[in-house]
Amino acid sequence: KAGVTQTPRYLIKTRGQQVTLSCSPISGHRSVSWYQQTPGQGLQFLFEYFSETQRNKGNFPGRFSGRQFSNSRSEMNVSTLELGDSALYLCASSPARTREGETQYFGPGTRLLVL
Amino acid sequence: AQSVAQPEDQVNVAEGNPLTVKCTYSVSGNPYLFWYVQYPNRGLQFLLKYITGDNLVKGSYGFEAEFNKSQTSFHLKKPSALVSDSALYFCAVRDPGDNTDKLIFGTGTRLQVFP
Repeated sequence: KAGVTQTPRYLIKTRGQQVTLSCSPISGHRSVSWYQQTPGQGLQFLFEYFSETQRNKGNFPGRFSGRQFSNSRSEMNVSTLELGDSALYLCASSPARTREGETQYFGPGTRLLVL
Repeated sequence: AQSVAQPEDQVNVAEGNPLTVKCTYSVSGNPYLFWYVQYPNRGLQFLLKYITGDNLVKGSYGFEAEFNKSQTSFHLKKPSALVSDSALYFCAVRDPGDNTDKLIFGTGTRLQVFP
């Protein structure tokens, strides 16, 4: 079974631009979560989508948004990019069949550099 | 509030020696606990998890972890380290009362195994 895929893998943008990152979960997985990884802040939860609905949201400004499609694929968008948005953005999926300790499986990430 | 602490930024061990990477947590109720490993320029790979049951959990690549409720710890262990185990290790917790997949991560511990 193919793993979580993320596109693009690398991205360079300038301040003020916007960016859209894509995530395709493992086949059959219904929950997709996004995390931001930076050297200073570590791994931080951005949001989670399940059945096209945002189920939880981390403590990030409104410039960060996401959505999930009917095939469970997800996108996240960052508008008005700031230098501090430079990070590795990780997507994770889980089956979400039950709430009993489902394992999240992570994609390789998209490395975003904001200049 | 839920939290995870990894008190050591780096752990150094000689190949063939046992290794321990420490993790303590703070969460109300019985937590779900996870260990992930990250190799350079890669996403997170799932190693093992504790949901309920036996306090000693065995995972991938010969790793195991022991859940200790009284000490609120979930240390990762391996009897004999390999140079290829050198990577960044993350402990994570999920509150089972929180009806999402959201993970709270520790700051990570860099494991360096010397030949």
